Amino acid sequence: QQQVKQSPQSLIVQKGGISIINCAYENTAFDYFPWYQQFPGKGPALLIAIRPDVSEKKEGRFTISFNKSAKQFSLHIMDSQPGDSATYFCAASGGMRGNTGKLIFGQGTTLQVKP
Amino acid sequence: EAGVVQSPRYKIIEKKQPVAFWCNPISGHNTLYWYRQNLGQGPELLIRYENEEAVDDSQLPKDRFSAERLKGVDSTLKIQPAELGDSAVYLCASSIRQGPNTEAFFGQGTRLTVV
Repeated sequence: QQQVKQSPQSLIVQKGGISIINCAYENTAFDYFPWYQQFPGKGPALLIAIRPDVSEKKEGRFTISFNKSAKQFSLHIMDSQPGDSATYFCAASGGMRGNTGKLIFGQGTTLQVKP
Repeated sequence: EAGVVQSPRYKIIEKKQPVAFWCNPISGHNTLYWYRQNLGQGPELLIRYENEEAVDDSQLPKDRFSAERLKGVDSTLKIQPAELGDSAVYLCASSIRQGPNTEAFFGQGTRLTVV
Protein backbone atom coordinates (compact mmCIF):
# COMPACT_ATOMS: atom_id res chain seq x y z
CA GLN A 1 0.00 0.00 0.00
CA GLN A 2 2.86 2.36 0.68
CA GLN A 3 5.11 1.53 -2.25
CA VAL A 4 6.22 3.84 -4.98
CA LYS A 5 7.88 2.06 -7.88
CA GLN A 6 10.26 3.97 -10.15
CA SER A 7 11.81 3.12 -13.49
CA PRO A 8 14.24 2.97 -15.14
CA GLN A 9 17.01 2.45 -12.61
CA SER A 10 19.46 4.27 -14.88
CA LEU A 11 19.18 6.38 -17.99
CA ILE A 12 21.67 7.73 -20.50
CA VAL A 13 20.57 10.57 -22.75
CA GLN A 14 22.38 12.71 -25.27
CA LYS A 15 22.58 16.42 -24.70
CA GLY A 16 19.46 18.09 -26.04
CA GLY A 17 17.39 14.93 -25.76
CA ILE A 18 14.35 14.18 -23.63
CA SER A 19 14.74 12.27 -20.36
CA ILE A 20 11.67 10.41 -19.11
CA ILE A 21 11.37 8.78 -15.71
CA ASN A 22 8.26 6.93 -14.61
CA CYS A 23 6.68 6.18 -11.27
CA ALA A 24 3.69 4.16 -10.14
CA TYR A 25 1.99 4.19 -6.78
CA GLU A 26 -0.51 2.01 -5.00
CA ASN A 27 -2.14 4.11 -2.33
CA THR A 28 -4.98 6.10 -3.88
CA ALA A 29 -5.04 8.36 -0.85
CA PHE A 30 -1.72 9.97 -1.82
CA ASP A 31 -2.30 13.58 -2.77
CA TYR A 32 1.14 15.10 -3.24
CA PHE A 33 3.72 13.90 -5.75
CA PRO A 34 7.11 15.62 -5.72
CA TRP A 35 10.24 14.90 -7.67
CA TYR A 36 13.59 15.34 -5.96
CA GLN A 37 17.01 15.78 -7.55
CA GLN A 38 20.10 14.57 -5.74
CA PHE A 39 23.72 15.23 -6.66
CA PRO A 40 26.52 13.06 -5.20
CA GLY A 41 27.29 14.01 -1.63
CA LYS A 42 24.23 16.24 -1.35
CA GLY A 43 20.79 15.84 0.10
CA PRO A 44 17.75 15.60 -2.17
CA ALA A 45 16.32 18.92 -3.35
CA LEU A 46 12.78 19.51 -4.54
CA LEU A 47 12.60 19.89 -8.31
CA ILE A 48 8.89 20.04 -9.07
CA ALA A 49 5.68 18.72 -7.51
CA ILE A 50 2.10 18.07 -8.53
CA ARG A 51 -1.27 17.40 -6.95
CA PRO A 52 -3.72 14.89 -8.44
CA ASP A 53 -6.26 17.51 -9.45
CA VAL A 54 -4.13 18.46 -12.48
CA SER A 55 -2.75 16.23 -15.21
CA GLU A 56 0.36 18.20 -16.03
CA LYS A 57 2.67 20.76 -14.50
CA LYS A 58 5.53 22.47 -16.26
CA GLU A 59 8.39 24.46 -14.80
CA GLY A 60 11.02 25.46 -17.33
CA ARG A 61 12.45 22.32 -18.91
CA PHE A 62 10.81 20.04 -16.33
CA THR A 63 7.29 18.64 -16.72
CA ILE A 64 5.30 16.25 -14.57
CA SER A 65 2.59 14.24 -16.28
CA PHE A 66 0.04 12.69 -13.95
CA ASN A 67 -2.42 9.89 -14.73
CA LYS A 68 -4.71 9.42 -11.77
CA SER A 69 -6.67 6.47 -13.17
CA ALA A 70 -3.47 4.56 -13.93
CA LYS A 71 -1.85 5.68 -10.66
CA GLN A 72 1.22 6.75 -12.56
CA PHE A 73 3.23 9.92 -12.94
CA SER A 74 6.32 10.79 -14.87
CA LEU A 75 9.04 13.40 -15.09
CA HIS A 76 10.06 14.73 -18.48
CA ILE A 77 13.27 16.73 -18.84
CA MET A 78 13.33 18.57 -22.13
CA ASP A 79 16.58 19.65 -23.79
CA SER A 80 18.57 17.61 -21.28
CA GLN A 81 21.91 19.13 -20.27
CA PRO A 82 25.06 17.59 -18.75
CA GLY A 83 24.31 19.59 -15.60
CA ASP A 84 21.10 17.57 -15.23
CA SER A 85 23.19 14.46 -14.55
CA ALA A 86 22.03 13.39 -11.10
CA THR A 87 19.82 10.90 -9.32
CA TYR A 88 16.10 11.62 -9.48
CA PHE A 89 13.57 10.37 -6.96
CA CYS A 90 9.83 10.42 -7.24
CA ALA A 91 7.88 10.48 -4.01
CA ALA A 92 4.36 10.55 -2.69
CA SER A 93 2.68 11.61 0.51
CA GLY A 94 -0.70 12.25 2.00
CA GLY A 95 -3.59 10.05 2.81
CA MET A 96 -4.44 8.90 6.29
CA ARG A 97 -4.23 11.33 9.14
CA GLY A 98 -0.70 11.34 10.44
CA ASN A 99 0.78 10.33 7.11
CA THR A 100 0.66 13.78 5.59
CA GLY A 101 4.16 15.09 5.17
CA LYS A 102 5.65 11.58 5.26
CA LEU A 103 7.36 11.13 1.92
CA ILE A 104 7.46 7.65 0.38
CA PHE A 105 10.33 7.63 -2.12
CA GLY A 106 10.89 5.58 -5.23
CA GLN A 107 14.14 3.69 -5.71
CA GLY A 108 15.76 6.44 -7.77
CA THR A 109 16.94 6.89 -11.35
CA THR A 110 20.52 7.78 -12.14
CA LEU A 111 20.54 10.07 -15.17
CA GLN A 112 23.64 10.66 -17.25
CA VAL A 113 23.46 13.29 -19.97
CA LYS A 114 26.28 12.90 -22.48
CA PRO A 115 27.69 16.04 -24.08
CA GLU B 1 19.07 31.79 4.75
CA ALA B 2 20.94 28.81 6.11
CA GLY B 3 19.65 25.42 5.10
CA VAL B 4 19.38 22.29 7.20
CA VAL B 5 22.74 21.70 8.87
CA GLN B 6 23.92 18.25 9.81
CA SER B 7 27.05 17.03 11.51
CA PRO B 8 29.27 15.20 11.20
CA ARG B 9 29.40 14.75 7.42
CA TYR B 10 31.17 11.41 7.73
CA LYS B 11 31.57 8.90 10.52
CA ILE B 12 33.39 5.60 10.61
CA ILE B 13 32.93 3.41 13.65
CA GLU B 14 33.43 -0.18 14.66
CA LYS B 15 30.38 -2.37 15.13
CA LYS B 16 28.89 -2.37 18.60
CA GLN B 17 30.06 1.20 19.20
CA PRO B 18 27.60 4.06 19.75
CA VAL B 19 27.19 6.95 17.32
CA ALA B 20 25.20 10.16 17.29
CA PHE B 21 24.13 12.54 14.55
CA TRP B 22 23.06 16.13 14.98
CA CYS B 23 20.65 18.23 12.96
CA ASN B 24 19.80 21.93 13.02
CA PRO B 25 16.68 22.58 10.93
CA ILE B 26 15.80 25.73 9.06
CA SER B 27 14.73 28.46 11.44
CA GLY B 28 10.98 28.47 11.93
CA HIS B 29 10.44 24.95 10.64
CA ASN B 30 8.49 23.05 13.22
CA THR B 31 8.47 19.69 11.43
CA LEU B 32 11.68 17.68 11.44
CA TYR B 33 12.38 14.34 9.78
CA TRP B 34 15.15 11.78 10.00
CA TYR B 35 15.53 9.59 6.91
CA ARG B 36 17.94 6.77 6.19
CA GLN B 37 19.22 6.30 2.66
CA ASN B 38 20.87 3.02 1.82
CA LEU B 39 23.25 2.91 -1.13
CA GLY B 40 21.36 3.06 -4.40
CA GLN B 41 17.98 3.47 -2.70
CA GLY B 42 15.55 6.24 -1.92
CA PRO B 43 15.37 7.73 1.56
CA GLU B 44 13.17 5.96 4.11
CA LEU B 45 11.59 7.77 7.02
CA LEU B 46 12.83 6.85 10.48
CA ILE B 47 11.06 9.42 12.61
CA ARG B 48 9.08 12.62 12.23
CA TYR B 49 8.69 15.38 14.80
CA GLU B 50 6.12 18.09 15.16
CA ASN B 51 7.88 20.58 17.43
CA GLU B 52 9.27 18.38 20.20
CA GLU B 53 6.73 15.57 19.78
CA ALA B 54 7.58 12.44 17.81
CA VAL B 55 4.42 11.93 15.77
CA ASP B 56 5.63 9.03 13.63
CA ASP B 57 8.38 6.71 14.81
CA SER B 58 6.91 3.50 13.45
CA GLN B 59 9.97 2.85 11.27
CA LEU B 60 12.55 3.54 13.96
CA PRO B 61 14.29 0.37 15.24
CA LYS B 62 13.73 1.19 18.86
CA ASP B 63 15.96 -1.52 20.24
CA ARG B 64 19.05 0.37 19.12
CA PHE B 65 17.93 3.72 17.73
CA SER B 66 16.80 6.72 19.72
CA ALA B 67 16.09 10.32 18.85
CA GLU B 68 15.25 13.50 20.61
CA ARG B 69 14.35 17.03 19.69
CA LEU B 70 14.95 19.31 22.61
CA LYS B 71 12.95 22.53 22.71
CA GLY B 72 11.53 21.71 19.29
CA VAL B 73 14.60 22.91 17.41
CA ASP B 74 17.79 20.83 17.11
CA SER B 75 17.60 17.08 17.00
CA THR B 76 19.94 14.17 17.63
CA LEU B 77 19.70 10.63 16.36
CA LYS B 78 21.61 7.95 18.21
CA ILE B 79 22.47 4.36 17.44
CA GLN B 80 23.70 2.10 20.21
CA PRO B 81 25.14 -0.36 19.49
CA ALA B 82 25.78 0.08 15.77
CA GLU B 83 25.61 -2.92 13.43
CA LEU B 84 27.18 -3.45 10.03
CA GLY B 85 23.76 -3.04 8.39
CA ASP B 86 23.43 0.46 9.78
CA SER B 87 25.93 1.75 7.21
CA ALA B 88 23.98 4.35 5.24
CA VAL B 89 23.48 8.06 4.78
CA TYR B 90 21.31 9.59 7.50
CA LEU B 91 19.40 12.59 6.23
CA CYS B 92 17.67 15.24 8.26
CA ALA B 93 14.93 17.33 6.70
CA SER B 94 12.62 20.05 7.91
CA SER B 95 9.46 21.72 6.74
CA ILE B 96 7.48 24.67 7.91
CA ARG B 97 4.48 22.55 8.83
CA GLN B 98 3.06 19.10 8.46
CA GLY B 99 0.66 18.43 5.64
CA PRO B 100 0.42 17.86 1.91
CA ASN B 101 2.24 20.11 -0.51
CA THR B 102 4.72 20.98 2.17
CA GLU B 103 8.23 21.10 0.79
CA ALA B 104 10.77 19.23 2.86
CA PHE B 105 14.27 20.68 2.79
CA PHE B 106 17.07 18.18 3.25
CA GLY B 107 20.49 18.53 4.77
CA GLN B 108 23.60 17.07 3.16
CA GLY B 109 23.42 14.00 5.34
CA THR B 110 25.83 12.05 7.52
CA ARG B 111 27.47 9.10 5.84
CA LEU B 112 27.93 6.36 8.41
CA THR B 113 30.25 3.44 7.81
CA VAL B 114 30.23 0.63 10.34
CA VAL B 115 33.24 -1.68 10.10
